Amino acid sequence: QSALTQPASVSGSPGQSITISCTGTSSDVGGYNYVSWYQQHPGKAPKLMIYEVSNRPSGVSNRFSGSKSGNTASLTISGLQAEDEADYYCSSYTSSSTLRWVFGGGTKLTVL
Amino acid sequence: EVQLVESGGGLVQPGRSLRLSCAASGFTFDDYAMHWVRQAPGKGLEWVSGISWNSGSIGYADSVKGRFTISRDNAKNSLYLQMNSLRAEDTALYYCAKESTRSAAFDIWGQGTMVTVSS
Repeated sequence: QSALTQPASVSGSPGQSITISCTGTSSDVGGYNYVSWYQQHPGKAPKLMIYEVSNRPSGVSNRFSGSKSGNTASLTISGLQAEDEADYYCSSYTSSSTLRWVFGGGTKLTVL
Repeated sequence: EVQLVESGGGLVQPGRSLRLSCAASGFTFDDYAMHWVRQAPGKGLEWVSGISWNSGSIGYADSVKGRFTISRDNAKNSLYLQMNSLRAEDTALYYCAKESTRSAAFDIWGQGTMVTVSS
């Protein structure tokens, strides 16, 4: 039950776009369209930003978008803003006879 | 207001037990699967356990299987995590999370309860 692989850190300037990758296997990311992304600010609980690979919950800015190709999912944030600086985690349902999920190791986004 | 409030955390010695609770409000609790997710100090998120709406399907991370037991009481709108044989590596902030319908995503999170395992 290995964690999904994310870059430890990414950075960008205000107004720019960045992409965070999330690599798994055919048993998780590649096998299901159940990839989700979470934003976590320091000392706060995670917040759902993307579900089912590319869907945004109500209230989440359309600057956030998700996609998937093979075993790798991606989160893109366009028009970077200072408040986007946070940790981002991907998650996927995995194949199993029982309920099972896996998270990525997290990516620290710095807005320069 | 949709809300999840965890309780039951604290300082416990290695090998001892602790029971976490999560009180849900603002939504129809028995319509949704529920989960526990933990975060060790300065580390990332780790899925711990999940339970379907009717307790018919349950899963555990390999790291806690055989030691932790998840349960729910729909009449009390509550989720539980019984943690036995606790280890230092179980030290973490434990979040209760609601699973969004059929999307396998966690759309509502509590603020967490801290568990510290130390002698």
